[in-house]
Amino acid sequence: DAGVIQSPRHEVTEMGQEVTLRCKPISGHNSLFWYRQTMMRGLELLIYFNNNVPIDDSGMPEDRFSAKMPNASFSTLKIQPSEPRDSAVYFCASSLAWGGRDTQYFGPGTRLTVL
Amino acid sequence: AQSVAQPEDQVNVAEGNPLTVKCTYSVSGNPYLFWYVQYPNRGLQFLLKYITGDNLVKGSYGFEAEFNKSQTSFHLKKPSALVSDSALYFCAVSSGSSNTGKLIFGQGTTLQVKP
Repeated sequence: DAGVIQSPRHEVTEMGQEVTLRCKPISGHNSLFWYRQTMMRGLELLIYFNNNVPIDDSGMPEDRFSAKMPNASFSTLKIQPSEPRDSAVYFCASSLAWGGRDTQYFGPGTRLTVL
Repeated sequence: AQSVAQPEDQVNVAEGNPLTVKCTYSVSGNPYLFWYVQYPNRGLQFLLKYITGDNLVKGSYGFEAEFNKSQTSFHLKKPSALVSDSALYFCAVSSGSSNTGKLIFGQGTTLQVKP
């Protein structure tokens, strides 16, 4: 079992540039979650999908952030334009099914630095 | 609204001694409770969860947690700490009444086990 796969693991970019983070969930999992982790705010849920459909994007900080899930095995989180305050570790997680009972399994994260 | 409190930023124990990491929660309906561990520069790793049934839940690496409904707590315990247990621990809750996969995380507790 390969687990949740995220790429890139590290990203350094300059303010104003577009950043795309990628996630491959565990095969067979139907729910996918994007989180952001910072020292100040801890772990925040940004958006989550069920069966490739976005269910709740209320955690997305602003319109500069967008997420897609074109199929069951791939999701992207895009920031355009990026700002220094977006610097954080971004995690993707997946779970087998919808509902709070199922364990979410996390990827290794993408450490984003915006200069 | 759902919330999780981890009242201690850091817990220090000596190797071989028992450890407890505290967690209290607030949720409407029945809670689903989770513990995760995060090692430096890694993603969150699932330890254990309580969904229903026996209040004492056993998980990975010798950890266990006790669900206490009257005290709305879900403390993480281990009878004998190892230096390798040193990491950041997160408690999380979702609500059985909301029927979503949305997890709310605590701020995390750093466990330091000294030889």
